[in-house]
Amino acid sequence: GAGVSQSPSNKVTEKGKDVELRCDPISGHTALYWYRQSLGQGLEFLIYFQGNSAPDKSGLPSDRFSAERTGGSVSTLTIQRTQQEDSAVYLCASSLWVGDTGYSGANVLTFGAGSRLTVL
Amino acid sequence: RKEVEQDPGPFNVPEGATVAFNCTYSNSASQSFFWYRQDCRKEPKLLMSVYSSGNEDGRFTAQLNRASQYISLLIRDSKLSDSATYLCVVNPLISNFGNEKLTFGTGTRLTIIP
Repeated sequence: GAGVSQSPSNKVTEKGKDVELRCDPISGHTALYWYRQSLGQGLEFLIYFQGNSAPDKSGLPSDRFSAERTGGSVSTLTIQRTQQEDSAVYLCASSLWVGDTGYSGANVLTFGAGSRLTVL
Repeated sequence: RKEVEQDPGPFNVPEGATVAFNCTYSNSASQSFFWYRQDCRKEPKLLMSVYSSGNEDGRFTAQLNRASQYISLLIRDSKLSDSATYLCVVNPLISNFGNEKLTFGTGTRLTIIP
């Protein structure tokens, strides 16, 4: 597609339920990131995928959070047993990979519109 | 010390004025730097990359000071449409091949007053 697509745009769930958030990156972008942004806060890194390499999961806040990327394209972020502190906007971004282009400016991120999660 | 620090503001500036923000970073080996803009309840969008020699894009000028480990953004002749949060972004890791986790500052909120 022309841009990064995320779904759902809004999700309201009850504490303890599992949620799945989906991200469709820009075609040809091999790098995919998940960030989250709480109200009035900065962006918090969650996880980064690059091609077939093992993902950088260093930002996942707990083992309730997991993400996968199938076929090097679509990614799903799963939050199990949601808590109220999980309420935030979850932003997905994609970019070209420096290694493909040799151009350091390739790591410019294009963000999706985000998935707003509210845990009651 | 945070990896990337910004003055959160808010900066309330009259239309037509010049405003400047600074952003400091902790890792002296950081390689790439960016300014992103985020409008209220919208996703961040790239405003400009920051090059070692400094760069200008219309009314916007970005500078990098490696010795003091900060980057700056200058906005001249500010417009009402410049009202937004400006995010400083740093790639803190050394790599010739990887993108790694770009680190975002918490942002500086700017409001241009008519």
